[in-house]
Amino acid sequence: DMKVTQMPRYLIKRMGENVLLECGQDMSHETMYWYRQDPGLGLQLIYISYDVDSNSEGDIPKGYRVSRKKREHFSLILDSAKTNQTSVYFCASSRDREGQLYFGEGSKLTVL
Amino acid sequence: GDSVTQTEGPVTLSEGTSLTVNCSYETKQYPTLFWYVQYPGEGPQLLFKVPKANEKGSNRGFEATYNKEATSFHLQKASVQESDSAVYYCALGPPSSGGNYKPTFGKGTSLVVHP
Repeated sequence: DMKVTQMPRYLIKRMGENVLLECGQDMSHETMYWYRQDPGLGLQLIYISYDVDSNSEGDIPKGYRVSRKKREHFSLILDSAKTNQTSVYFCASSRDREGQLYFGEGSKLTVL
Repeated sequence: GDSVTQTEGPVTLSEGTSLTVNCSYETKQYPTLFWYVQYPGEGPQLLFKVPKANEKGSNRGFEATYNKEATSFHLQKASVQESDSAVYYCALGPPSSGGNYKPTFGKGTSLVVHP
C-alpha cells in the first residue's frame, strides 16, 4: 500500500517546549520533504532529504532541524517551539526523478 | 530561481459553470508540470501531470495543456460540481536535465462550488 504516515496528527505544546514530528513511508522513496502550510501562503518547503543523512535546507529552515537515519523515516524537530510555528505540517515523499509527491495527511501543531 | 504564479482565490462558482485556474511559470529548465488537489482535512494529492510540452493531461473532468511558448499550464473544467470544492496547486517537477531539485509550488487556489 502506497502511504505516507504522519504522527502525531494533532499536537499542542507550550512555547519553549521541544517538538518531534515523525513521518514514515512504505514506498522506498529516496526523497522526502517537510512543508508547512499557512492560510494564504500555500506550501512552504522547510527541508528536503535526498536519502539517508543527505538533507538540504528548503526555503524556510530557520527554527527547524531534521533527521533521516532510515530511508523510510524522516523526522522534523523544533527545539524550543515558538508561537509563530503554529501551523499544519506536511510530510511528502517522491521516487527519485519521478517528481510526483505523495503527501501525508498532515500534523496540526499549536504552540501556546 | 523557478517560480509559479496561479489565480488568487477564493474562486466561487455555482454548480454546472465552467472553471479556469490560471498557472504561469518561470524556469530555465524543461520540467514536468503537475496539478495537485487538496480536499479539506487531507494532504495534497496528484490530480494529473504532463511531462512534455504541447501535451494535455486530464483527470476527473479537469484538463490542462503544457504550453512551453506561453509558459502556462491553465487548469480547466467545463462543468464543476460541489465535490470539486478544494484547493488546487500548480507545481513544477524535476527538470529533464537531471540532478537534485526542489519542487516549486504555486500558492494554491481555493475553489468553492455552491449547489
